[in-house]
Amino acid sequence: QKEVEQNSGPLSVPEGAIASLNCTYSDRGSQSFFWYRQYSGKSPELIMFIYSNGDKEDGRFTAQLNKASQYVSLLIRDSQPSDSATYLCAVNSYTGGFKTIFGAGTRLFVKA
Amino acid sequence: DTGVSQNPRHKITKRGQNVTFRCDPISEHNRLYWYRQTLGQGPEFLTYFQNEAQLEKSRLLSDRFSAERPKGSFSTLEIQRTEQGDSAMYLCASSPLGQQNQPQHFGDGTRLSIL
Repeated sequence: QKEVEQNSGPLSVPEGAIASLNCTYSDRGSQSFFWYRQYSGKSPELIMFIYSNGDKEDGRFTAQLNKASQYVSLLIRDSQPSDSATYLCAVNSYTGGFKTIFGAGTRLFVKA
Repeated sequence: DTGVSQNPRHKITKRGQNVTFRCDPISEHNRLYWYRQTLGQGPEFLTYFQNEAQLEKSRLLSDRFSAERPKGSFSTLEIQRTEQGDSAMYLCASSPLGQQNQPQHFGDGTRLSIL
């Protein structure tokens, strides 16, 4: 089992729709969770971070965390073609020492 | 806040050569991280510093890799005797201290190509 798992996609949604991106993690002791957006050939860009169970909203983005299920998700409302990118889930893990573990990312395509 | 700066942006070298990359973090950030990313994968954690102290180093990191942050400001990552498998994007990130692990902000990366 990978430490942070994401569906590789591609996930294709029409412009204006809601895109839902999911991530599961294996370290039950993880406390910090992050979503990054990465355009092809560019470095990751922070979108959202969440520490507590529940929802956290920032503009068109909502991060959802369920520690009992070891699940974190990102919703993108009113998706735009400019949202087309790879979305990386990252989790801070403390097992065997601190490290940040990234999933392999989900590719999102928003069709105009 | 000028962001995280990495140099060089691209490095092409022959197998067996040594290479060194530099990272300048955001000025008020105490923590600095190095990652390696290959095509189709997420960034892979290599090491991190809090001020000048190297607190963690991935067990996946071979002895050919070494990182320093001598004055708690910029950092260097050196790869000795490069191999084909070292070809990747090397990313640096920084974050401030906080009660929770603060989000990391990435530089543009150094792309290494081994001939």
